[in-house]
Amino acid sequence: NAGVMQNPRHLVRRRGQEARLRCSPMKGHSHVYWYRQLPEEGLKFMVYLQKENIIDESGMPKERFSAEFPKEGPSILRIQQVVRGDSAAYFCASSTWGAGATSDEQFFGPGTRLTVL
Amino acid sequence: AQKITQTQPGMFVQEKEAVTLDCTYDTSDQSYGLFWYKQPSSGEMIFLIYQGSYDEQNATEGRYSLNFQKARKSANLVISASQLGDSAMYFCAMREGGVRGSTLGRLYFGRGTQLTVWP
Repeated sequence: NAGVMQNPRHLVRRRGQEARLRCSPMKGHSHVYWYRQLPEEGLKFMVYLQKENIIDESGMPKERFSAEFPKEGPSILRIQQVVRGDSAAYFCASSTWGAGATSDEQFFGPGTRLTVL
Repeated sequence: AQKITQTQPGMFVQEKEAVTLDCTYDTSDQSYGLFWYKQPSSGEMIFLIYQGSYDEQNATEGRYSLNFQKARKSANLVISASQLGDSAMYFCAMREGGVRGSTLGRLYFGRGTQLTVWP
């Protein structure tokens, strides 16, 4: 029973480099959410995607951040020119119905811990 | 305004005792869902329990129950017979119903409560 998979689990980047975070949703799930967790805080929504579509990116910083969920392959969260403030845990979650039901459970991956030196 | 408020940064409970973790929420939607997640020190997010705004009965899942008081907009998590393995961070979250294309889908999280169970 493969759950949501994220890789890498830990990622270290120097300021100015690019970070690519990958998320493979659970089998049968076509809705993917990305959240960011800063130290000592709860998770904050970044973006909601379906296959080949960005549904809601209102939580994503306007610059340097982008996300995609192609027809084939994992969802990618890309952070260009990383800064120290990007250091956080990034969680991906997937669900069956997405916006279709308030009860739709989101299954979370183990997260990627990004450290920017 | 905060959508989800968890006022207890830390809670302590003795093994086998019950504990209540507080959560209040803010929404003008009639349809919404409330969730509790557990985050152990290993970092993963574990779903515990769900309560829909139209559910008349409080949700229960094993040792977890949700004390849902709609008029007060509170959704407290009750853990009965605490175990050492319950020590973790607990997050309350909400999904609003809204209209399609608005905030539907995303979860709003509180800042969490760190629960420590001692023997």
